[in-house]
Amino acid sequence: GAGVSQSPRYKVAKRGQDVALRCDPISGHVSLFWYQQALGQGPEFLTYFQNEAQLDKSGLPSDRFFAERPEGSVSTLKIQRTQQEDSAVYLCASSLDRGQPQHFGDGTRLSIL
Amino acid sequence: AQSVTQLGSHVSVSEGALVLLRCNYSSSVPPYLFWYVQYPNQGLQLLLKYTSAATLVKGINGFEAEFKKSETSFHLTKPSAHMSDAAEYFCAATTGTGANNLFFGTGTRLTVIP
Repeated sequence: GAGVSQSPRYKVAKRGQDVALRCDPISGHVSLFWYQQALGQGPEFLTYFQNEAQLDKSGLPSDRFFAERPEGSVSTLKIQRTQQEDSAVYLCASSLDRGQPQHFGDGTRLSIL
Repeated sequence: AQSVTQLGSHVSVSEGALVLLRCNYSSSVPPYLFWYVQYPNQGLQLLLKYTSAATLVKGINGFEAEFKKSETSFHLTKPSAHMSDAAEYFCAATTGTGANNLFFGTGTRLTVIP
């Protein structure tokens, strides 16, 4: 069966450019999470959706980060005016419902030059 | 606040030897605890989870972990290491309330020596 799919797998952008990262969760999964994993670190929580509602965005590092899930399925993480410190792997995870195990995608490796 | 500490960023074992990866948590509420494995350029795969049922949890690939409340620990073990076990391992916790987002440790890289 299909797992969590993220695209692109790799993204290189110049400082100041806007980027958009896509996440296709497992079909039927209500909960969706975004995490940021810096090199050599564990993933850190960014934001959480229950269906289309963004219930927690406390982990977003600045107002340059924006996430949406308009139809309760596919989600997009957008970073505006990228900075070098935004370079990281961005992981998306989905779960059947709140409290259920999270299934992770392979991530998008973002490099800001 | 929830936090997870993994002691030892790198662990090396010989093939066939015992694997022991350490994880301690701090929490003001009983946590749900998880171990994930990450292979290079891949996402995280769930090995096992503790959700307040049995304290000894068995997972995939022969791994198991024991929840010890008195020690606030959830160490991961495997009796006999295999070459394919070489990867990064992350301990994670969630409170089981609210968003249920995971709090991760910094990871332990396991090397298996032939």
